[in-house]
Amino acid sequence: RKEVEQDPGPFNVPEGATVAFNCTYSNSASQSFFWYRQDCRKEPKLLMSVYSSGNEDGRFTAQLNRASQYISLLIRDSKLSDSATYLCVVNVRTGNQFYFGTGTSLTVIP
Amino acid sequence: NAGVTQTPKFRILKIGQSMTLQCTQDMNHNYMYWYRQDPGMGLKLIYYSVGAGITDKGEVPNGYNVSRSTTEDFPLRLELAAPSQTSVYFCASSYLRTGDEKLFFGSGTQLSVL
Repeated sequence: RKEVEQDPGPFNVPEGATVAFNCTYSNSASQSFFWYRQDCRKEPKLLMSVYSSGNEDGRFTAQLNRASQYISLLIRDSKLSDSATYLCVVNVRTGNQFYFGTGTSLTVIP
Repeated sequence: NAGVTQTPKFRILKIGQSMTLQCTQDMNHNYMYWYRQDPGMGLKLIYYSVGAGITDKGEVPNGYNVSRSTTEDFPLRLELAAPSQTSVYFCASSYLRTGDEKLFFGSGTQLSVL
């Protein structure tokens, strides 16, 4: 079983749409959770950390459900510039190891 | 503030050649990592280091070697390049601090072995 699983998509949505990505993780010892954004042939960049209480950054909302070992990312009012691959990343503090999902591809269409 | 600097950006190798991918960070992070990313796949850990003088294998270490003589530098060595090592390589660093274990990435090296 993979440490982190994501729906690979692709998600093709019109501008202005709301889109949600989901992610599950298998290691109950996971401590920290993140969403990274990766543009084609570029390095992943931190989009936001995910906290138990849920957190919001502008049009982006992240939620964590520890009981279900489930993480989500909601993007509201999608922009063309949101087109990218979104990586779910989980940190296991023992050894400070990071585990990556394969990413979910998003294309926002004019 | 440079962050994580990785060189070269692109390289083509012939089968059997050797090369070193350079990685340096100026954030005083104790943890450093090397990942490879194949098309349509997630990042796979090659090697990591928890501090100067300490390295350990990740998920896919075969065909690679690393060293960590200083906190700043973490080079990755390919001794006998094989076509299976064609990939994009990312160096990353992190500071282990409760609630702040973010990963910072270099810009990547696209390597082709022909």
